[in-house]
Formats: sequence, structure tokens, C-alpha cells
Amino acid sequence: AQKVTQAQTEISVVEKEDVTLDCVYETRDTTYYLFWYKQPPSGELVFLIRRNSFDEQNEISGRYSWNFQKSTSSFNFTITASQVVDSAVYFCALSEAQGGSEKLVFGKGTKLTVNP
Amino acid sequence: DAGVTQSPTHLIKTRGQQVTLRCSPKSGHDTVSWYQQALGQGPQFIFQYYEEEERQRGNFPDRFSGHQFPNYSSELNVNALLLGDSALYLCASSLLGLAGELYNEQFFGPGTRLTVL
Repeated sequence: AQKVTQAQTEISVVEKEDVTLDCVYETRDTTYYLFWYKQPPSGELVFLIRRNSFDEQNEISGRYSWNFQKSTSSFNFTITASQVVDSAVYFCALSEAQGGSEKLVFGKGTKLTVNP
Repeated sequence: DAGVTQSPTHLIKTRGQQVTLRCSPKSGHDTVSWYQQALGQGPQFIFQYYEEEERQRGNFPDRFSGHQFPNYSSELNVNALLLGDSALYLCASSLLGLAGELYNEQFFGPGTRLTVL
């Protein structure tokens, strides 16, 4: 069965600090996709990144970076020089790729608070 | 280009009642998925619709049912409401049939907040 664990329930940092959100996943599939979504107080889930299981290259997008390590089944997300607008709940999610299934299995989320 | 829209925004019902939630997918998308997000939890997959058929279903009772219309919009129906059905219901749309892509990004709507009293 698929499972996503986000061990950090809440994180609080001061603006300009770097912060890493952890994500550990479990799956029996060899082909799968990993995601990060941001959920601001408005409630809408905002897509941040998708990574397939065959691509272990780290990715950087502005202040955001992602570290995918299959050996430890982890897909961690780092925000560099955090800003108040980064305050939100962040979800890591996993999806099988077989048959075009798009069912997403989410972790419980990490609430990030960035204080000025 | 309109994104995913959901209605209503908020809804209050009492136990035993029935509710219908609506979703319009992003323009050009043909697949709609529904998720339930309880307070403080991650979203949980309810079911997915494609070509007006239920493609996949999560671990939810038969009280939860859905429908997809020819214009790809979708409804989620919940019968015999329980207090535990109180949650944010999220709709996500994607394009399943895009040639050359094994998987497509899901776009989420703002959700419907259901409160059962």
C-alpha cells in the first residue's frame, strides 16, 4: 500500500531563514510520481512540483529546491530565504503511474509559519 | 482561462440530510477527481470520473456517489450525512488523454466547506 509520511507537523521560522520540509514515502511500484502542493489559508491546493521515479535529479526553482533520494524513499523540499508569504500548509503526495491512474495519496501536511 | 470552480463555497447541513456539491473542471480538462480533507489532515481520494464513468474509487462508503456530465463537469453526492462528513471537499481536474504524457498535473479548485450539525 502507498503511504506518505510528513513527520513535521508544524515548523516556525523567522523570515530569511532556510527551512526544509521532510517527506518519506512507501510504495511497491517501480514507477510512480511524487508531488508537493502548497495550501494557503484560502484552502486551494497549489501545485509546486512533480517528479517521476526515474528522475533523481535535484531541482531548483527560484527559492525552492527539491531533493529526491530513492535509496531513502525521501523527497524533501527546501525553501531558501523564507518569506512571510511562504506561510502555508505544505503537502507531499504520491501517485502510481500504472494505467494512468491519478489517485494522489497525501501526507498529513506540514504547517509552515514564517514570522517577520 | 478559468481554473477549477466549485460550488457552493460553504454549506451547513444536519445529520441524515443529503448534499450535492458541484465542480467545473479547468478548460480543456476531461477528468475530475474528488477529495475529502478533514480538519488538520491531508486530502483523501474519494473517486475519479472520466468519460462519465467512475474510473477509480477510494475507501469511502456507498453513501458517497458521483456523476460526470458530457461537458465534463461533475457532482459529488453524499447521502445520510454524518457528523464525520464535515470537511473541505476538493475537486481536481486533469487531462487524461494527452498524447505522449503518462501523467498529467491535477489542478485543484478552492473547495466546498461542508459542516454537518
